[in-house]
Amino acid sequence: DVKVTQSSRYLVKRTGEKVFLECVQDMDHENMFWYRQDPGLGLRLIYFSYDVKMKEKGDIPEGYSVSREKKERFSLILESASTNQTSMYLCASQFLRGYEQYFGPGTRLTVT
Amino acid sequence: QQQVKQSPQSLIVQKGGISIINCAYENTAFDYFPWYQQFPGKGPALLIAIRPDVSEKKEGRFTISFNKSAKQFSLHIMDSQPGDSATYFCAASIEYSGGSNYKLTFGKGTLLTVNP
Repeated sequence: DVKVTQSSRYLVKRTGEKVFLECVQDMDHENMFWYRQDPGLGLRLIYFSYDVKMKEKGDIPEGYSVSREKKERFSLILESASTNQTSMYLCASQFLRGYEQYFGPGTRLTVT
Repeated sequence: QQQVKQSPQSLIVQKGGISIINCAYENTAFDYFPWYQQFPGKGPALLIAIRPDVSEKKEGRFTISFNKSAKQFSLHIMDSQPGDSATYFCAASIEYSGGSNYKLTFGKGTLLTVNP
């Protein structure tokens, strides 16, 4: 079974803090994605990566950056957290040239 | 246009009834249309998917109907059960990076409640 794990289920941070969200997949997938999920807005793509050290902006990259130093790990970074970044963050992975994405359980981030 | 429009936002169905969720898209470059199911506290998981060269796909109680000319597709859940209560997302896939890699654009989701 594909397993995508995220470092924390719940996280509470203060405004202005630097926040790291970690995602690890164990299926040797080439592609990885970060989404945020908000009620009534669905899943919105923040950043994705189709290779180590490669990254592409999604639909809402502002205020976020990513890092992919190893194939199995994709990190989302909030350089200076703001209250409007309070959300559920979902990581997903995908085979090269595959269609299906496999999601982790999500990290619920609250910025106070 | 990258949007996928999903309706309704929420749906309440009695046990044994039929649940229908609709989606529409504009971009004809989309080439794969999956539905994802998400239970509370879990990430979304692929439920069923269809390609645009097929008008219908059925897997158990779940059926996707696809209308290419109208650029619409829908999920039908027959004999709906309380265990089907979840959030359902339609999505559409498009190629990126020119290397046959695909990313998804999601609808906003439908919260389905099946009453016993």
